[in-house]
Amino acid sequence: AQSVTQLGSHVSVSEGALVLLRCNYSSSVPPYLFWYVQYPNQGLQLLLKYTSAATLVKGINGFEAEFKKSETSFHLTKPSAHMSDAAEYFCAVRGSQGNLIFGKGTKLSVKP
Amino acid sequence: DGGITQSPKYLFRKEGQNVTLSCEQNLNHDAMYWYRQDPGQGLRLIYYSQIVNDFQKGDIAEGYSVSREKKESFPLTVTSAQKNPTAFYLCASSIGTYQETQYFGPGTRLLVL
Repeated sequence: AQSVTQLGSHVSVSEGALVLLRCNYSSSVPPYLFWYVQYPNQGLQLLLKYTSAATLVKGINGFEAEFKKSETSFHLTKPSAHMSDAAEYFCAVRGSQGNLIFGKGTKLSVKP
Repeated sequence: DGGITQSPKYLFRKEGQNVTLSCEQNLNHDAMYWYRQDPGQGLRLIYYSQIVNDFQKGDIAEGYSVSREKKESFPLTVTSAQKNPTAFYLCASSIGTYQETQYFGPGTRLLVL
């Protein structure tokens, strides 16, 4: 069975600082992993996905994530936070039926 | 423009009433999904359909029903048996293969009067 744990329900950074959002997964098969972003009262938008190709995945808006099998992690990073990055971020792993299994989300706040 | 539409944006349900949330996609995707989102709980799968005229229960299907009569449509009915329906409901679709991306609609917020 697959599962996802996101460490930290709230993360606050200053504008221009490094963003690091943590995600650990559990999967009995090679995982397909995703990061989505959600702005208030909107749907989810894909940031990036890992599908067993390169372990360092680059996404939209300057975000990237590194797949580390030994650590069962898929942390999301951005070198320099912008005010517009304030949102909720969800890590997800593909389930056995094709559905997505989500973490509980991390709300990112960006201070000026 | 291709995408997923959900309607209405806000929906109010009275005690004992069934309500139906609409989800339509013009992406020609085979698979469609319904998720429920509650604060601090992430998204949980209600139902999914991988092909027309077939659908499967997800983790929290009790009190919900769906149909998939057309490829582009996957309506969700919240029945009176669902005692705590207040939530944000998200519909998604994907081409259907295991590693493909799921695309999400803008969501419907259901509130109880």
